[in-house]
Amino acid sequence: QKEVEQDPGPLSVPEGAIVSLNCTYSNSAFQYFMWYRQYSRKGPELLMYTYSSGNKEDGRFTAQVDKSSKYISLFIRDSQPSDSATYLCAIGDKLIFGTGTRLQVFP
Amino acid sequence: DSGVTQTPKHLITATGQRVTLRCSPRSGDLSVYWYQQSLDQGLQFLIQYYNGEERAKGNILERFSAQQFPDLHSELNLSSLELGDSALYFCASSVGTGTYNSPLHFGNGTRLTVT
Repeated sequence: QKEVEQDPGPLSVPEGAIVSLNCTYSNSAFQYFMWYRQYSRKGPELLMYTYSSGNKEDGRFTAQVDKSSKYISLFIRDSQPSDSATYLCAIGDKLIFGTGTRLQVFP
Repeated sequence: DSGVTQTPKHLITATGQRVTLRCSPRSGDLSVYWYQQSLDQGLQFLIQYYNGEERAKGNILERFSAQQFPDLHSELNLSSLELGDSALYFCASSVGTGTYNSPLHFGNGTRLTVT
């Protein structure tokens, strides 16, 4: 079993939709949870960072951590075509990355 | 622009050869990380240097080595290259030693193709 599992997608949604991206992880000791966004031919950029359980909101983005289920989510409200990218979760101090979910938002 | 510079952008070489990838971190960042990204494996952590010293090691092959120089730039050396080494290699930098208190800033990668 991989330490971090992420559905590769692709996920295709219309503009304005609410997007839900998810990862599961196996090690209950993990405390740090991050979401990175990667545009084509670019390096990943940090979107959201959370510590332990709970929610964190930043504009249209909400990160959610459920440590009891070892499940993390990233919600994107009012999705835009500019949100089209690959979203990677990264977990733990050593940043174990998921394989990424490719998201396409069409006008 | 993340401020992290990686050269070259593309590299095409033959099996058995040796290549060097270069990374200049953001101004002020002391940590440099190297990652390998392939389609089936995702982003795999290779190695971290902090202020010239090796700090952490991930899934780095013995054929690969890295170093961080006094001016804080870093090089990743890949030798005896195999077809399976074809991937995107990313460098990232951060201020501190731990990813929980100093986010990583990634360069745009070097795409290595081994033929």
